[in-house]
Amino acid sequence: AQSVTQPDIHITVSEGASLELRCNYSYGATPYLFWYVQSPGQGLQLLLKYFSGDTLVQGIKGFEAEFKRSQSSFNLRKPSVHWSDAAEYFCAVGANNNDMRFGAGTRLTVKP
Amino acid sequence: DTGVSQNPRHKITKRGQNVTFRCDPISEHNRLYWYRQTLGQGPEFLTYFQNEAQLEKSRLLSDRFSAERPKGSFSTLEIQRTEQGDSAMYLCASEGARNSPLHFGNGTRLTVT
Repeated sequence: AQSVTQPDIHITVSEGASLELRCNYSYGATPYLFWYVQSPGQGLQLLLKYFSGDTLVQGIKGFEAEFKRSQSSFNLRKPSVHWSDAAEYFCAVGANNNDMRFGAGTRLTVKP
Repeated sequence: DTGVSQNPRHKITKRGQNVTFRCDPISEHNRLYWYRQTLGQGPEFLTYFQNEAQLEKSRLLSDRFSAERPKGSFSTLEIQRTEQGDSAMYLCASEGARNSPLHFGNGTRLTVT
């Protein structure tokens, strides 16, 4: 059965510092992989997605993620975090949208 | 493109009452999804529609839950005889091209007292 694990429930970083949010998945084949962000009171917004091809994916707001098949990982990174990046981040995996599974989320706090 | 709209934003109800939520997807999107999100968890798939046809329902969707999309546009999710365990954020999303990323609404937060 497919599953998504986000090992870090909560991460705190200083503004301007780099960020990496971890995501590991279990799936029978190479899935579609997504990162969504959810700000308080807002719906989920897609940051980036991986379907195939280049394993380093660029997204919005300066985020990127790298698909590593050997590690079953799809970690999200940003070189310099801004205070407005404070939010909940969800990794998702699936063969299609009705098959999608979300991780439990990582809450990001940004210190001034 | 006005985005996905969900109403109401917040619903408080007493246990045993029925509640109905509405979702208006992006107008040209023919697929519509319902998810449930509880505190500290990611969204869980409930059901989805292609046009007016309900194509799949999760085992999470008990008999007390029913969803409709009568004209292939807006959708409603009804919960009958609400229980405290139904308290959650109910998210609606719509999809344009097949397997394109989902566009989520801001959700309806249900609190059952």
